[in-house]
Amino acid sequence: QKEVEQNSGPLSVPEGAIASLNCTYSDRGSQSFFWYRQYSGKSPELIMSIYSNGDKEDGRFTAQLNKASQYVSLLIRDSQPSDSATYLCAVRDGGSNYKLTFGKGTLLTVNP
Amino acid sequence: DAGVIQSPRHEVTEMGQEVTLRCKPISGHDYLFWYRQTMMRGLELLIYFNNNVPIDDSGMPEDRFSAKMPNASFSTLKIQPSEPRDSAVYFCASSLGLAGGQRYFGPGTRLTVT
Repeated sequence: QKEVEQNSGPLSVPEGAIASLNCTYSDRGSQSFFWYRQYSGKSPELIMSIYSNGDKEDGRFTAQLNKASQYVSLLIRDSQPSDSATYLCAVRDGGSNYKLTFGKGTLLTVNP
Repeated sequence: DAGVIQSPRHEVTEMGQEVTLRCKPISGHDYLFWYRQTMMRGLELLIYFNNNVPIDDSGMPEDRFSAKMPNASFSTLKIQPSEPRDSAVYFCASSLGLAGGQRYFGPGTRLTVT
């Protein structure tokens, strides 16, 4: 059973702070990693993807990948109340070109 | 584009009844996915189609679940008979190809089986 693990939270940060969300995965063959954001009562939406070790930045968001440690993280700089949501880590199964295994998500709350 | 459309948005039914969930993918997308989301198990892939053909239904929990895609613009997920443990949010998603991990999710159907 391929697993993707996330702390369920809630993770609470003040407005303007850096929020750090973490994810570990069990499938060493995985090569593609994604972060989805899900607002309460809404559907998931893709916000970041990362395929290579290191950092990938997109605006206030930075995804970090360490394949040796089987670890993915998402940093949100200058957190805003509108960032309050559940963040789902998704990992494409090694050897599969379609199957994404999702973590259960981390609930982030940004306090004004 | 209107995005992925699902109906109904909410469904409350009694145990033993048949439930049919409907999905219209984004026009032009060639992949369609059905997911189920619960607090306990998170977001799980049930089945996916490519060009209307079911490719992998290994995530379908049991024979009570069936899915069809009669044409490129319509898919159904049927549960018969329904059980309380089927209560969840069911999402339909579509994509153009599989590259990039992008799945465009519909708003979901919240199913409650009493």
